[in-house]
Amino acid sequence: QSALTQPASVSGSPGQSITISCTGTSSDVGSYNLVSWYQQYPGKAPELVIYDGSKRPSGVSNRFSGSKSGNTASLTISGLQAEDEADYYCCSYAGTSTFSYVFGTGTEVTVL
Amino acid sequence: EVQMVESGGSLVQPGGSLRLSCAASGFTFSNFVMSWVRQAPGKGLEWVSAISSSGNSTYYADSVEGRFSISRDNSKNTLYLLMNSLRAEDTAVYFCARLVPAAHTPPYWGQGTLVTVSS
Repeated sequence: QSALTQPASVSGSPGQSITISCTGTSSDVGSYNLVSWYQQYPGKAPELVIYDGSKRPSGVSNRFSGSKSGNTASLTISGLQAEDEADYYCCSYAGTSTFSYVFGTGTEVTVL
Repeated sequence: EVQMVESGGSLVQPGGSLRLSCAASGFTFSNFVMSWVRQAPGKGLEWVSAISSSGNSTYYADSVEGRFSISRDNSKNTLYLLMNSLRAEDTAVYFCARLVPAAHTPPYWGQGTLVTVSS
């Protein structure tokens, strides 16, 4: 199972919006509405920001939103803030033949 | 509150073995499939293994198939990962995770335990 493809880095100025793409295949992202997104600070565990493609867990800012089109999922962060500077990973269920999950390659977000 | 606490990580020599544990609380452990996910230093996340709610079915990534064994004790609300024939490339933080391939069931993760394979 190959990793989902994300841009290595994305940057933006405070207040701007950025979008991180996550490209998979018809066997993972394209087959299931089960894409999740994680925010990770250095040395810390990943924190969930989006699940089921577009749902926000309780306590997560509404500046985070998710969507999907075909085999590509996207995470948009609006009103970018300094605290959003972190690594972001997408994840999709990929169990067409057996149970498995696949993660994205990760994107480093820099707030300029 | 859903909580998962991993333990058992340590320094081990190549070819050695190690067993990780994950103590779960705040939910009915026996109702959920459970997974292990790892992250090598400076690298991305990798799904490693999963086990069905009853423990009857197990699943592995190709990178660990035949070397790692996942199990669970529902009476103790505990998940395990037995790692054999360890290699340097198995060095990583190992996370216990409740990843359920069903809608309206958000994922939950532990804080991880570090496994270092080195001589």
